[in-house]
Amino acid sequence: NAGVTQTPKFRILKIGQSMTLQCTQDMNHNYMYWYRQDPGMGLKLIYYSVGAGITDKGEVPNGYNVSRSTTEDFPLRLELAAPSQTSVYFCASSYTGASNEKLFFGSGTQLSVL
Amino acid sequence: GENVEQHPSTLSVQEGDSAVIKCTYSDSASNYFPWYKQELGKGPQLIIDIRSNVGEKKDQRIAVTLNKTAKHFSLHITETQPEDSAVYFCAAVTGTASKLTFGTGTRLQVTL
Repeated sequence: NAGVTQTPKFRILKIGQSMTLQCTQDMNHNYMYWYRQDPGMGLKLIYYSVGAGITDKGEVPNGYNVSRSTTEDFPLRLELAAPSQTSVYFCASSYTGASNEKLFFGSGTQLSVL
Repeated sequence: GENVEQHPSTLSVQEGDSAVIKCTYSDSASNYFPWYKQELGKGPQLIIDIRSNVGEKKDQRIAVTLNKTAKHFSLHITETQPEDSAVYFCAAVTGTASKLTFGTGTRLQVTL
């Protein structure tokens, strides 16, 4: 049982480049989330999804896009990378939502935009 | 929206001592308060949680208390061990919202 898997683990981008952070879970969870973690700032919600085909903005969605075509996958897209997007990104999932049960987190993607 | 403040940002204790981390929240409708532990290079993991109809919850060396009137909740770790060294995050959920609001984290270091 792999849980929540994120790829890549590390990535360096140049300003203006695009990339997709991959996230997949094998627990048949309905809810999936993307957070970014900046030093001393905790985790901020970027986007979340309550099921396949449904996504919604979180606290800091600007500069990002998501899609949820399957229950398992929830990729995060950066279209025009900016230095402000340098951060550690975490994907998480749960079956019934954050208000009912724990979130399962992936191990993170460390992204640097130079 | 909900705002969660967490203190202290760093905490150093000697092995065997107790550690206390405190959080306050702004939305009186918040009703679920989990605590996550993040070890170096890993994602956060839930260690304990409490709901608004309970004042205290214990799990071995870890306890959480909730004061709804004052809108604050605390994590207590007794008999600390080196493996307790990590970053701890408090969080709050309002109503049936599917979103957690996290505190800014506390880096706990347990020294020998």
